[in-house]
Amino acid sequence: EAQVTQNPRYLITVTGKKLTVTCSQNMNHEYMSWYRQDPGLGLRQIYYSMNVEVTDKGDVPEGYKVSRKEKRNFPLILESPSPNQTSLYFCASCSTGVDEKLFFGSGTQLSVL
Amino acid sequence: LAKTTQPISMDSYEGQEVNITCSHNNIATNDYITWYQQFPSQGPRFIIQGYKTKVTNEVASLFIPADRKSSTLSLPRVSLSDTAVYYCLVGADYGQNFVFGPGTRLSVLP
Repeated sequence: EAQVTQNPRYLITVTGKKLTVTCSQNMNHEYMSWYRQDPGLGLRQIYYSMNVEVTDKGDVPEGYKVSRKEKRNFPLILESPSPNQTSLYFCASCSTGVDEKLFFGSGTQLSVL
Repeated sequence: LAKTTQPISMDSYEGQEVNITCSHNNIATNDYITWYQQFPSQGPRFIIQGYKTKVTNEVASLFIPADRKSSTLSLPRVSLSDTAVYYCLVGADYGQNFVFGPGTRLSVLP
């Protein structure tokens, strides 16, 4: 089954404790992206990647890192989480072509205390 | 990616047809129009895509006028389960990034 898998689904942590949210897709998609969603602010893009070893900042990249060493994986790293990074995070992927369709993961609800 | 404008919210009643219009005045020749649906605490999911005229699938219809500067998502006979946020995205071609606008929050009332 074609899917984007995020882990964990829920995460509670404390300020300053490094964490990684994993994202994996099994559709051989070139494009992958991370979004965060906060009440009233919609989906805001954090980072995206057009292919392996190619990443770029989205609208809200501060405090986040990403890597794209393999085509299927696109982890989101918070080196020193802060309470303002408490949010619902989504990973997405798509193929490249004239009719791309994004596939989203189930989301990761992160709480930073 | 072409900038899009949608109504922030809409209300409807069960059984009615709902039409949500998206404006995209600077759409490019190669751009497709794609609509996504998002339920609370879930990731958006693709519902329909089109280039011109009319597209219909089992979930919705998409109407695109000849000038392609707008598009209308039509949901026939909505139910309570259609309560969601609907996003319109316009873009195409290899290398495009995907940035979401605020979407349209549809509330279906009994």
